[in-house]
Amino acid sequence: QVQLQESGPGLVKPSETLSLTCTVSGGSISTYYWSWIRQPPGKGLEWIGYIYYSGSTNYNPSLKSRVTISVDTSKNQFSLNVTSMTAADTAVYYCARAQSGTSSYLYWGQGALVTVSS
Amino acid sequence: DIVMTQSPDSLDVSLGERATINCKSSQSVLYSSNNKNYLAWYQQKPGQPPKLLMYWASTRESGVPERFSGSGSGTDFTLTISSLQAEDVAVYYCQQYYSTPHTFGQGTKLEIK
Repeated sequence: QVQLQESGPGLVKPSETLSLTCTVSGGSISTYYWSWIRQPPGKGLEWIGYIYYSGSTNYNPSLKSRVTISVDTSKNQFSLNVTSMTAADTAVYYCARAQSGTSSYLYWGQGALVTVSS
Repeated sequence: DIVMTQSPDSLDVSLGERATINCKSSQSVLYSSNNKNYLAWYQQKPGQPPKLLMYWASTRESGVPERFSGSGSGTDFTLTISSLQAEDVAVYYCQQYYSTPHTFGQGTKLEIK
């Protein structure tokens, strides 16, 4: 069974860069698309983007200028960097994987709450 | 971007009764070449990640109870819970994966009346 686990800081200062890592277990990262999705407290879900194991990416245009998703197949991990963080970026950040043949998200991490505050 | 709009925002239903949640997309999510609707439904309980219920608009994910069903095509979709159980209290989201950015509805909060 595929499992995903986010790791990273829970608190980021305004204007700083957020770095989160998602560790994949129970399967190889060397297939499928691997995604990041976030959810501000009490609000809905926002797709950030995805990366294929080969390194090709697709980002939400609303965040594209500040987001980088990368993959490390040797560690079975993929990562998210978001620059110039503001309070509006405070959210639970989920890593996720779609099920085969669709882009409906079957596998999710438990989520990492990231608060932007000085 | 495809905008997903759910209705209602919240819903109170008695135990054992039917619950119906609607989702409308700003453009069709039906891919003509395979006749599939690129639409998924999720259930999210407090403190948990979303759980996939339905994909291709009407295909139930493995392990999802049969009381959950999805219908619709093109731009209008419905998630129905035929007989509400206490454990169905949650927020429900629709999501389109027809095009990127993948987008979600704003959510419908389902509670027991």
